[in-house]
Amino acid sequence: DIQLTQSPSFLSASVGDRVTITCRASQGIDSYLAWYQQKPGKAPKLLIYGASTLQNGVPSRFSGSGSGTEFTLTINTLQPEDFAVYFCQQLNIYPRTFGQGTKVEIK
Amino acid sequence: EVQLLESGGGLAHYGGSLRLSCVGSGFTFGNYDMTWVRQAPGKGLEWVSFISGSGSSTYYTDSVKGRFTVSRDNSESTLYLQMNSLRAEDTAVYYCAKDALLVDWGQGTLVTVSS
Repeated sequence: DIQLTQSPSFLSASVGDRVTITCRASQGIDSYLAWYQQKPGKAPKLLIYGASTLQNGVPSRFSGSGSGTEFTLTINTLQPEDFAVYFCQQLNIYPRTFGQGTKVEIK
Repeated sequence: EVQLLESGGGLAHYGGSLRLSCVGSGFTFGNYDMTWVRQAPGKGLEWVSFISGSGSSTYYTDSVKGRFTVSRDNSESTLYLQMNSLRAEDTAVYYCAKDALLVDWGQGTLVTVSS
C-alpha cells in the first residue's frame, strides 16, 4: 500500500497567515492526489484534485502543487473558516489511502 | 442536488455483523462508482472499499478483506456494506461517497463494536 505522510500534523496560525502543508508519498503517484478539508462533526470536503486543480466553489486562496512523491497545499491569507483538519489522499492505486491529517488551529 | 443518506449503523458485538446502506439521489446512481470511507473516533480518514458503477469491480483495504463486502442495487439507488466478523477496531463513522474522487459525501453512520 502507498503510505502518505503529512507534515506538520498540527500547526497554529493566525488569520491572514500563509500556511503550507506537505504530503509525501511512499512511492510515485504522478499527480493523482487530492486534498480535503474537514470540520468537526462534518463530512470532509474536496478542495483540490489532480494535485493542483481547484474544485468548483473552493476559494482561490487554496492552491496545490507537486507531483511524484511530494505535494503541498497552500492557504494564502488564512480566514477564520479555514481552521480545520486537512487530509491528502492518493488516487493512483487501490487502496486509495489518506494521509494522517493536519490540524490547523488558531494561534 | 446530490444527496447520500447512510443508515444501518449501531451497536454490534465483537464477531457480529451489520449491514450499512447508502441511498443516493439527485444523480443517476448507476452511472457512478461509489466509495466507503470510515473515521474512528478522534482519528483520521480510512479508505475502506470501492465499487464500480456496474458493480463488476470492487476493492478493499487490507484490514477488511474477507470480512466486508460491498455491493449495490442500482434499481434502488442503494449502496451496501456488509460487515461480518466485526472487531473493536471497526468502530468508526462510516461515510459513503460518490465516485472514486470523493466529491459528495453522506453524513455518516456510527458503528460501535463492543467486546
